[in-house]
Order: sequence, then C-alpha cells, then structure tokens
Amino acid sequence: GAVVSQHPSWVICKSGTSVKIECRSLDFQATTMFWYRQFPKQSLMLMATSNEGSKATYEQGVEKDKFLINHASLTLSTLTVTSAHPEDSSFYICSARLGVYEQYFGPGTRLTVT
Amino acid sequence: AQSVTQLGSHVSVSEGALVLLRCNYSSSVPPYLFWYVQYPNQGLQLLLKYTSAATLVKGINDFEAEYKKSETSFHLTKPSAHMSDAAEYFCALGGANNLFFGTGTRLTVIP
Repeated sequence: GAVVSQHPSWVICKSGTSVKIECRSLDFQATTMFWYRQFPKQSLMLMATSNEGSKATYEQGVEKDKFLINHASLTLSTLTVTSAHPEDSSFYICSARLGVYEQYFGPGTRLTVT
Repeated sequence: AQSVTQLGSHVSVSEGALVLLRCNYSSSVPPYLFWYVQYPNQGLQLLLKYTSAATLVKGINDFEAEYKKSETSFHLTKPSAHMSDAAEYFCALGGANNLFFGTGTRLTVIP
C-alpha cells in the first residue's frame, strides 16, 4: 500500500516552454502533498506544500509564479514549470502525506530543458 | 530548532559486512524519525520509522535502527551487506508540517 506515482518520469523541453508534472496517490487519499527538487548528489530541497482545495505554500526563494502547483483532488497534485530555462533542469520528486508525519514518495521526474 | 545530521557522506563496506549509517537529530519535542533509501534515478522508499513505540525498529530488507534519546541518535544498521544495498540513504525528522532531511549517505558495497 501507500503508492505514489509521477508522470512523466522523464521529460525534455525547449527553453521558454511549460511542463506539467503529475503526482498521484494511488491507494490512499492525501490532503497534503509535497514537491521537492533534488540536485545531483544532494539531498532533497522542499519547494512547496500542496494542500487539497487551497493555495500551495512555497518555501522561501521558490518563485510561485514559475512553479505553479495545483492540488485539485485528494489524489492528484500537479507542478507546472512555466517558461522553463536550462537552470530549471533537475530531478523533481513529489510525496504524499499519510498520517501525521509519514510521507510516501513518487519515483521522480527528470526534467531537462534545452 | 529541528535538524538532522548524517555523519559520513560516503560509507563503503564489503559484501557480507555490517552496515552502520549514522544519524543524529535535534528536536525540542519527542521526535518522529525515518530512514529512506534512494536508488539511482528513483524516488525515496521508506525503510523504517520510529514513532515513539519500541526504540529498536525493524524495517524492510533486514535493516533496523535504534532510537537513543540520551544520544539523540537514530543509527541504521544491517548485519550483512548485499550488493543490492548500494544506494543513497536519508535520515529524516518529522516536523510540524514537513520532514527535515539529512544530507544523505551514499553506501557502496564492495564485492
């Protein structure tokens, strides 16, 4: 149980275009999901907390107009990288919270912006 | 303030040897602690968790961790390393709204 999926697993886009990444909790409902960014050989950096039915909470330094988050249902959150640039290339991981502190992670999405 | 420190960014062990990955935490409230494993180009998989029950926690793949309040530690161990254990391991502390992650320890298993 407690499976989280992400789609796509890998995406290449051209600079200036937008990319949407989906995060789904497959066998449980999640009122709260999280979006992380991970640089090579580094730990996860929390970007934002996504709450179903309300606006996302962004961490300091994360541009909310660039990284649009929508949590339209209890099983789906989306991250849209708008006007992507090469520096946005990274590994993006989502997680869904189950219980008080426990998080289950998706397999990640590798974004490459050319 | 809450924080997690993982000692040793890189640990190498021989196949069959004991695995010990260190994690210390700082928390002003009773902690919820987790160990996650990440294989290359994948998300994080929960290995085990401490949620104020037994101090010795058993997880998947024969991993276990012991919560020691006096030492503010939650070290991860496995009696005998397998080649398939080679991965990145993250210790995490449950916060009010999120998890605080350590910087990770890369485990290499030498055949």
